[in-house]
Amino acid sequence: GENVEQHPSTLSVQEGDSAVIKCTYSDSASNYFPWYKQELGKRPQLIIDIRSNVGEKKDQRIAVTLNKTAKHFSLHITETQPEDSAVYFCAASKSSSASKIIFGSGTRLSIRP
Amino acid sequence: KAGVTQTPRYLIKTRGQQVTLSCSPISGHRSVSWYQQTPGQGLQFLFEYFSETQRNKGNFPGRFSGRQFSNSRSEMNVSTLELGDSALYLCASSLGGPLAYEQYFGPGTRLTVT
Repeated sequence: GENVEQHPSTLSVQEGDSAVIKCTYSDSASNYFPWYKQELGKRPQLIIDIRSNVGEKKDQRIAVTLNKTAKHFSLHITETQPEDSAVYFCAASKSSSASKIIFGSGTRLSIRP
Repeated sequence: KAGVTQTPRYLIKTRGQQVTLSCSPISGHRSVSWYQQTPGQGLQFLFEYFSETQRNKGNFPGRFSGRQFSNSRSEMNVSTLELGDSALYLCASSLGGPLAYEQYFGPGTRLTVT
């Protein structure tokens, strides 16, 4: 069935360093890969997404890469700041059921001052 | 535009009761999806409604049901509540058309079953 695995479950980095979160998906028909950030007590917010016809996408300090062959995708945050502390979820969906998003288990990112 | 809203924000129910949660999507969005978030199981897809019809369904028992009205507002119902139904229930709205993948979440309804 459809599954998204996410690693690591927790990540602590020094402020200013980079953070990388990795995900793998099982359904080869998946073609949309969003990343959500959820701060404590708040709703998940879409921070970046990538479609299967693109290998990499960047938005300021955040970038996502996709390897369709290996069914891997990753989130890269550079120059981390305290406000980056949150839980990050990767996810996948496919065009035949675009609104059915399968989420990874989440990564709790902590930024050390 | 106003964001996705959900009511109520908090609910406490007793095992065996039923509950109805409401979600109002972003204006112009025709798709509403529902998710259950728990510490143990993470974010799990319940179902999606588009133009008043259930379009996608997750792997939840029939006690979980929903509907959508002509103004795109959606309700979710859980009957015969169990302790394990305690969770944050999130709805998300999207345009719903082909390739319109982006979903925007509401603040959630925190349901506690005692």
